[in-house]
Amino acid sequence: EPEVTQTPSHQVTQMGQEVILRCVPISNHLYFYWYRQILGQKVEFLVSFYNNEISEKSEIFDDQFSVERPDGSNFTLKIRSTKLEDSAMYFCASRTAGGQPQHFGDGTRLSIL
Amino acid sequence: GQQLNQSPQSMFIQEGEDVSMNCTSSSIFNTWLWYKQDPGEGPVLLIALYKAGELTSNGRLTAQFGITRKDSFLNISASIPSDVGIYFCAGQLGGGTSYGKLTFGQGTILTVHP
Repeated sequence: EPEVTQTPSHQVTQMGQEVILRCVPISNHLYFYWYRQILGQKVEFLVSFYNNEISEKSEIFDDQFSVERPDGSNFTLKIRSTKLEDSAMYFCASRTAGGQPQHFGDGTRLSIL
Repeated sequence: GQQLNQSPQSMFIQEGEDVSMNCTSSSIFNTWLWYKQDPGEGPVLLIALYKAGELTSNGRLTAQFGITRKDSFLNISASIPSDVGIYFCAGQLGGGTSYGKLTFGQGTILTVHP
């Protein structure tokens, strides 16, 4: 069964450094999402992306965050200058059109030192 | 924004017992989803509900979309050790700029004793 893949599985970065998290959504999907989950907490929406532009973003998704779909397969989340509180699991999700459910990747654990 | 209250927070049950958990919202959703998350992995979709009143089964799992569209429950019958994990409800609006964004509940941690 097709799946969403995310790399790396674990990223350790010094505070203030830039980090790029990568996702390969399911190939025929059109809507792409990033969520984060701080340890022991619920999953929180960050941003949705459709037709090569952001369709919605949360308050968490401030100017330090950006997303890009640089080619036909990858979907990236960049954090420009990481903070300690950015430490979390970051999940990518994708879905087809028509209100179909989102499918999630296994996440990238981001640890900021 | 929307808030989902999921209960219970955790459950400790014996293998073979039935389990029930639910989510309530202060506002309406057009779709309710139930996901399971194992340690170190992403949420895996269990059941999707699209219509108020809808009752849907997936093996030993049954979920319902509340008539008011503000709640949903998930039942697991005859639990087995591999049911262990965290179960999340998620609500989704339709239309406009909120289309597709999921709002998650806090999760129910399920422990099954053999």
